[in-house]
Amino acid sequence: DAGVIQSPRHEVTEMGQEVTLRCKPISGHNSLFWYRQTMMRGLELLIYFNNNVPIDDSGMPEDRFSAKMPNASFSTLKIQPSEPRDSAVYFCASSLNRLPMGQFFGPGTRLTVL
Amino acid sequence: GENVEQHPSTLSVQEGDSAVIKCTYSDSASNYFPWYKQELGKRPQLIIDIRSNVGEKKDQRIAVTLNKTAKHFSLHITETQPEDSAVYFCAADNTDKLIFGTGTRLQVFP
Repeated sequence: DAGVIQSPRHEVTEMGQEVTLRCKPISGHNSLFWYRQTMMRGLELLIYFNNNVPIDDSGMPEDRFSAKMPNASFSTLKIQPSEPRDSAVYFCASSLNRLPMGQFFGPGTRLTVL
Repeated sequence: GENVEQHPSTLSVQEGDSAVIKCTYSDSASNYFPWYKQELGKRPQLIIDIRSNVGEKKDQRIAVTLNKTAKHFSLHITETQPEDSAVYFCAADNTDKLIFGTGTRLQVFP
């Protein structure tokens, strides 16, 4: 079984550039979560979707961040414009039901903004 | 909202010894408590979870206990091995999402 798939695995960009991170959840899972992990702030939930609908985006740090889920098998997290403080590992996770039982993480995207 | 506190932040043990990591939560409505293990440079992986209708769950060398009255739960690893070295996160559910603790870095010395 394929797990959660994320791309790219590594991204290095310059300040001011647009960054798009991609996620494919586990087939059949209907909840999708975007997290950001840094040494200083730990694992933060940015936004989550249920049945492709954004349910809670209170963790999105500011308007530069946006996320979409156009269908059940694809989601994007976009940062425009990017800033050095956005450097982090971004994880996507999915689960089967609205409740977070058995939430499974993707391999993450390591973002470096110079 | 839910708040999850995790202790200790670092833990060093000798191979073969036991390790215990403790978490407390604030929302009595929480019913699901997973534990994740994250090795360096890897993704968090679910290793065990417990639901509020049970007090203890065991899977080989790892076990989790839950005290709903006191609102705390713990991870127990027995006969630790070097490959157990990682960061461990506890979490509690809050409506539809998980609230994570700050992590415990476990080092097992041979």
